[in-house]
Amino acid sequence: GAVVSQHPSRVICKSGTSVKIECRSLDFQATTMFWYRQFPKQSLMLMATSNEGSKATYEQGVEKDKFLINHASLTLSTLTVTSAHPEDSSFYICSAGTPTLRGGYTFGSGTRLTVV
Amino acid sequence: AQSVTQLDSHVSVSEGTPVLLRCNYSSSYSPSLFWYVQHPNKGLQLLLKYTSAATLVKGINGFEAEFKKSETSFHLTKPSAHMSDAAEYFCVVSDGGYQKVTFGTGTKLQVIP
Repeated sequence: GAVVSQHPSRVICKSGTSVKIECRSLDFQATTMFWYRQFPKQSLMLMATSNEGSKATYEQGVEKDKFLINHASLTLSTLTVTSAHPEDSSFYICSAGTPTLRGGYTFGSGTRLTVV
Repeated sequence: AQSVTQLDSHVSVSEGTPVLLRCNYSSSYSPSLFWYVQHPNKGLQLLLKYTSAATLVKGINGFEAEFKKSETSFHLTKPSAHMSDAAEYFCVVSDGGYQKVTFGTGTKLQVIP
């Protein structure tokens, strides 16, 4: 079945540095990938929709200059948290769908980001 | 527009007893509906999905859900809870294709030995 690999699973970084999170579709091509953020004890909130070969579409309230999304190929999307601050500490999850799996989304295993 | 409401933030059951996690949705189109499970500090795992085929959907680990259009519901059930079922469960709605989805706020299932 469809597999999405997300890396790293955990990362700790210093305040002011940047962190890159990768999301790969291993056995299918994903023209669209989604990035979510989950705060403790809350549901997942969509941050942005990543489209291969074009600019990402950001949800209202998400800073596009802070959360840089690049979808350079049909199997890879990256999220870079720039100039990270402690309030950016969260659980980030990506997902991708396939044309043959109507509405079916496969999620990555998530990345726990801690900014110290 | 679409939305999903999970009616219970916490559900506690004894091991071996039935599980019922409630979900109501609203959608402008024929929706696709999903249930995902998330164990602590883990990613999301798909339990089951409804995409306009049979209204009673069977998933993994003995879970099933019934799509009831008249009630706009998609409740998740399991006949007998196991300790390993303790996790957070999310009901998700999509208006179709593989466009963006909307998550419910989650239901935390506690299983008491």
